[in-house]
Amino acid sequence: SQQGEEDPQALSIQEGENATMNCSYKTSINNLQWYRQNSGRGLVHLILIRSNEREKHSGRLRVTLDTSKKSSSLLITASRAADTASYFCATDVNGANSKLTFGKGITLSVRP
Amino acid sequence: GAVVSQHPSWVICKSGTSVKIECRSLDFQATTMFWYRQFPKQSLMLMATSNEGSKATYEQGVEKDKFLINHASLTLSTLTVTSAHPEDSSFYICSALAVLFYNEQFFGPGTRLTVL
Repeated sequence: SQQGEEDPQALSIQEGENATMNCSYKTSINNLQWYRQNSGRGLVHLILIRSNEREKHSGRLRVTLDTSKKSSSLLITASRAADTASYFCATDVNGANSKLTFGKGITLSVRP
Repeated sequence: GAVVSQHPSWVICKSGTSVKIECRSLDFQATTMFWYRQFPKQSLMLMATSNEGSKATYEQGVEKDKFLINHASLTLSTLTVTSAHPEDSSFYICSALAVLFYNEQFFGPGTRLTVL
């Protein structure tokens, strides 16, 4: 069964606005990762946050993790049309990255 | 970063034929590779874990005799879809575990399989 569940399933915003995507999971994890996928392409790793971390930044990306609520959020600030893609969260239970469980994904559309 | 390639990028075949998909780690060695399947507008589902020099580990519900995995070298894993049927049409993505990159999984660009 899938570990992660993202919401919303689809998000449409104007260029320059911020995009917030959420992910909830069911079991204890070692870390949670966010990936991006352009249509019909492979996945690109965006950011990893460990279970003992609460917030992490990478450029225009900000990820938070609330282990008590078993949820994470990905914030993309000052969005660009090029950010249009599907975004997935993936959980790693044992920390060896030996088995990632992906959520259903969020389709983000950024209107120019 | 580490680069993973897949070949072919797309393939169309007739029902009943077998199709082989290659996954290569181009600039690093990977003892572990993963094969995922993704149906349209859905998430990635792990099919199997491919280990160099040993048998692959399949996820529950994945037929090992239908999806043959061979990981004969530290840079190549192959997935063979045997006797393909239209329901096998999907996007197949591999990833390779890069130990030297803190065990990050690097993903290939995917292979679109269409079975007629």
